[in-house]
Amino acid sequence: ETGVTQTPRHLVMGMTNKKSLKCEQHLGHNAMYWYKQSAKKPLELMFVYNFKEQTENNSVPSRFSPECPNSSHLFLHLHTLQPEDSALYLCASSPSSSTDTQYFGPGTRLTVL
Amino acid sequence: GQQLNQSPQSMFIQEGEDVSMNCTSSSIFNTWLWYKQEPGEGPVLLIALYKAGELTSNGRLTAQFGITRKDSFLNISASIPSDVGIYFCAGPGYNNNDMRFGAGTRLTVKP
Repeated sequence: ETGVTQTPRHLVMGMTNKKSLKCEQHLGHNAMYWYKQSAKKPLELMFVYNFKEQTENNSVPSRFSPECPNSSHLFLHLHTLQPEDSALYLCASSPSSSTDTQYFGPGTRLTVL
Repeated sequence: GQQLNQSPQSMFIQEGEDVSMNCTSSSIFNTWLWYKQEPGEGPVLLIALYKAGELTSNGRLTAQFGITRKDSFLNISASIPSDVGIYFCAGPGYNNNDMRFGAGTRLTVKP
């Protein structure tokens, strides 16, 4: 238990569906991150939020829309995804975006049909 | 750029054997992190290294920060079945907001 929870753990959706992934951290951290993990590829950073403000968007397609209502919660809204978006989506948090140690949640395994 | 290259990609070893894996970069890193990811879970931090030449242990795990600051090694002694997983090296990129990860070394331990 790392103090970072993610729901749902598994999600299957069609290309026309709208769904959301949720992340919550109980560590009092100020920075939160979304990563995409595909098979046999390095972790890909998608978004960074620091004190609820988005500080980084790594050229992520607009069909992925993040939301950070407060420092403890992070959402990833999904709309009209493609099959190649199927992956494990990991949330992480750290005390601040300049701190090295990130703590990861268990991930959401997403399958797009 | 600050890409991280991990080797080997995968290892199949017998329980009790020692394991060694490494991570290299063409650029200098000021910090090296080693994470382990078990099936169905997110990566968990094992060891953090902050100084060139630093050697740090965590139980049966030992990691070293290379003198050139362009590489790091992780060793596991007397492996056990629960060591199975993917081991990632990582380090902050230029602006310290972007954590770079290697592609991972997948370890399988046969009882």
